[in-house]
Amino acid sequence: KQEVTQIPAALSVPEGENLVLNCSFTDSAIYNLQWFRQDPGKGLTSLLLIQSSQREQTSGRLNASLDKSSGRSTLYIAASQPGDSATYLCAASHNDMRFGAGTRLTVKP
Amino acid sequence: GAGVSQTPSNKVTEKGKYVELRCDPISGHTALYWYRQSLGQGPEFLIYFQGTGAADDSGLPNDRFFAVRPEGSVSTLKIQRTERGDSAVYLCASSLSGGRGYTFGSGTRLTVV
Repeated sequence: KQEVTQIPAALSVPEGENLVLNCSFTDSAIYNLQWFRQDPGKGLTSLLLIQSSQREQTSGRLNASLDKSSGRSTLYIAASQPGDSATYLCAASHNDMRFGAGTRLTVKP
Repeated sequence: GAGVSQTPSNKVTEKGKYVELRCDPISGHTALYWYRQSLGQGPEFLIYFQGTGAADDSGLPNDRFFAVRPEGSVSTLKIQRTERGDSAVYLCASSLSGGRGYTFGSGTRLTVV
């Protein structure tokens, strides 16, 4: 059974800092690894999807990497802004998608 | 439809009552998933359908929970004898095939009082 772990559980940084969120998964037989953003009381917004054959994906200030063999993914956020404050979830997919518990990010002005 | 539709968006029910939550996936998506998300937690997998059949129901917490997808499209999650601990947001997602291209609905917020 796939287990997904995210570290840290919560993170508070001043505006402008670069930061890294970590995700690990126990079963490397995945189709893809996806990062989501969730604002309080809202649904899931897909940020980046990395196929199992890929090493990384970039979108604006976000960069996600995938090391399937070691069961790890990282989400790098450059030049953080208060609007980046949210919970970030990673999910590993085979036939279904299994989520980590998320990292709650607060970016202070 | 254009997206995954979940109804109702909010449901308040009394402890011990029976509830049904509905998910209308994107047309043509053969795979459908149910998740439950409690406050401060990530979505927890409940059940996955491929067509009409449950391909994996290992996440259903107990026999009070049941889900059906009789025609391979709309799915209903059924909860019997609801308990306060069942209070959560229930999310549905669909994809063209298992493991790829998920689209999530906005969820049903269930509150058991």
